[in-house]
Amino acid sequence: GQNIDQPTEMTATEGAIVQINCTYQTSGFNGLFWYQQHAGEAPTFLSYNVLDGLEEKGRFSSFLSRSKGYSYLLLKELQMKDSASYLCAVMIKAAGNKLTFGGGTRVLVKP
Amino acid sequence: DTAVSQTPKYLVTQMGNDKSIKCEQNLGHDTMYWYKQDSKKFLKIMFSYNNKELIINETVPNRFSPKSPDKAHLNLHINSLELGDSAVYFCASSQEAFQSSYEQYFGPGTRLTVT
Repeated sequence: GQNIDQPTEMTATEGAIVQINCTYQTSGFNGLFWYQQHAGEAPTFLSYNVLDGLEEKGRFSSFLSRSKGYSYLLLKELQMKDSASYLCAVMIKAAGNKLTFGGGTRVLVKP
Repeated sequence: DTAVSQTPKYLVTQMGNDKSIKCEQNLGHDTMYWYKQDSKKFLKIMFSYNNKELIINETVPNRFSPKSPDKAHLNLHINSLELGDSAVYFCASSQEAFQSSYEQYFGPGTRLTVT
């Protein structure tokens, strides 16, 4: 089966850095996505990694190690609006590809 | 302009009823999806359609029947609603199903409450 683990909740201070880890055990790995979901809203795309290494996009960066089944999302210069759930999702190679989500990490940014 | 829209946003109904949720995307995407997000916030895929053809059908009860009249629309009909069907249902779309790098765009969600 597919197993994706990430911490349930994290708290950080405005202006700080937070790293959200995600470990996965899946067959047919075909890429890893990070999505942001504010309470009561739809998930929105943040990043995609398929090769090992770091992808940087403004204040957000995402890292992938395929051999370790590990990814992290790094949020720098935290802002209050970054308080949200962050969903790690693995694309599984199946008929048409299938996105399998972890349970999400709720990040609370405090002033 | 809304990229992926769903109606209704809220749906409250009694056990045993039949209800439908509609989804439309104006992105010109080939692939559409239905996801269920339960009270513990796990987001799980239910169905995927590519150019009106069903390509992913997870182990979802037969009471759930998706229908795609054209590639811009994917509706979800649910028969004989049960308490456990209460959840938020998200529709999503992506450019196409077979390239893994294409991100999915999610609709605003439909909060279904079965009483």
